[in-house]
Amino acid sequence: EAGVTQFPSHSVIEKGQTVTLRCDPISGHDNLYWYRRVMGKEIKFLLHFVKESKQDESGMPNNRFLAERTGGTYSTLKVQPAELEDSGVYFCASSHGGAMARETQYFGPGTRLLVL
Amino acid sequence: GDSVTQMEGPVTLSEEAFLTINCTYTATGYPSLFWYVQYPGEGLQLLLKATKADDKGSNKGFEATYRKETTSFHLEKGSVQVSDSAVYFCALIPVTGFQKLVFGTGTRLLVSP
Repeated sequence: EAGVTQFPSHSVIEKGQTVTLRCDPISGHDNLYWYRRVMGKEIKFLLHFVKESKQDESGMPNNRFLAERTGGTYSTLKVQPAELEDSGVYFCASSHGGAMARETQYFGPGTRLLVL
Repeated sequence: GDSVTQMEGPVTLSEEAFLTINCTYTATGYPSLFWYVQYPGEGLQLLLKATKADDKGSNKGFEATYRKETTSFHLEKGSVQVSDSAVYFCALIPVTGFQKLVFGTGTRLLVSP
């Protein structure tokens, strides 16, 4: 069974540009999460999808970030326009079970974003 | 709010040494507790977990016991190997609300031959 995959693995862009990150969860996992780790600090939650619906987006830093999960399969996270402080590693995770079930979350390898 | 505190790294050990990485948490009730590991160039992998007080999670020689009285979930291994060099993250899922993970800052472990 394939794990969580993310694309691209690395992205280097200039301030003001747009970047779109993609996550493909484990097949059959309804829950999909985005997290990010900035500047070696703790990994912070961004948002949680259940199928195609945003269940919790309390961690999204501002309206420059837009996440979608059309059709309840893969998800994209767009940053527009990117700022220097958006640099970091963006992780995607997926899990089985309902929105409230405290199931194990399986992580992808992350996308390392550098904004110059 | 809910939070996780881990010991600062890096932790530098010789092969076969005993490892302890401290983790304490702040949360209401009985959160689920996790240790994730990130090996160089790879993503986060679940190492072990515990979901109720006094539970012991174990995997690959690593162990951690859910201590409600001290709100701790320290990671231990009796004899580390060079291949254990990685960044270790302690995390919890709160009791209330949705199941977002709350992470500590991570502790880098370096094991030398």
